[in-house]
Amino acid sequence: GAGVSQSPSNKVTEKGKDVELRCDPISGHTALYWYRQSLGQGLEFLIYFQGNSAPDKSGLPSDRFSAERTGGSVSTLTIQRTQQEDSAVYLCASSPVWETQYFGPGTRLLVL
Amino acid sequence: AQTVTQSQPEMSVQEAETVTLSCTYDTSESDYYLFWYKQPPSRQMILVIRQEAYKQQNATENRFSVNFQKAAKSFSLKISDSQLGDAAMYFCAYRSYNNDMRFGAGTRLTVKP
Repeated sequence: GAGVSQSPSNKVTEKGKDVELRCDPISGHTALYWYRQSLGQGLEFLIYFQGNSAPDKSGLPSDRFSAERTGGSVSTLTIQRTQQEDSAVYLCASSPVWETQYFGPGTRLLVL
Repeated sequence: AQTVTQSQPEMSVQEAETVTLSCTYDTSESDYYLFWYKQPPSRQMILVIRQEAYKQQNATENRFSVNFQKAAKSFSLKISDSQLGDAAMYFCAYRSYNNDMRFGAGTRLTVKP
């Protein structure tokens, strides 16, 4: 069956531009998570959705970061006015409630 | 907030031998889940094994097993009969009852032929 998909797989942008990263979770998974992974580092939690609502936004690093989820399915992570320190791999995961998270392949973002 | 600590940034094992990766966590909760994920160079995170905190029996998945010590807040991963394909970053993760998920910094495992 289809797993979690993310697009684009790679994104190169210029400092100051806005970017949108997309996550398509596994069908039926109500929970969706965004993480950031800097080079050689662990996973930094960004935000978690239960359905369309985000009960925990505590991990978003600044107000330049926002995320939404519509129809309890697709989610978009938007980074406004990108900075070089935003360069990282952005991972999305989905799960049924209280169950194991399944990860997408990630989007590698490079801000020049 | 819960924290997860992996004290071994790198580990090395000879093919066919056994290696143990350490993980400790800090929590005041009694119900939670623990996971080990593997991330090969392809960067795809793959679930290796999971453990429910209320279960005393250690989880086992083929060559992978855990030593879960709830009182000590320790959750180590043992890989038996190591294979070249086991080489990857391994992340320990904690998920609380309210779905908050935290990861350790990872351990890079090298398997020597």
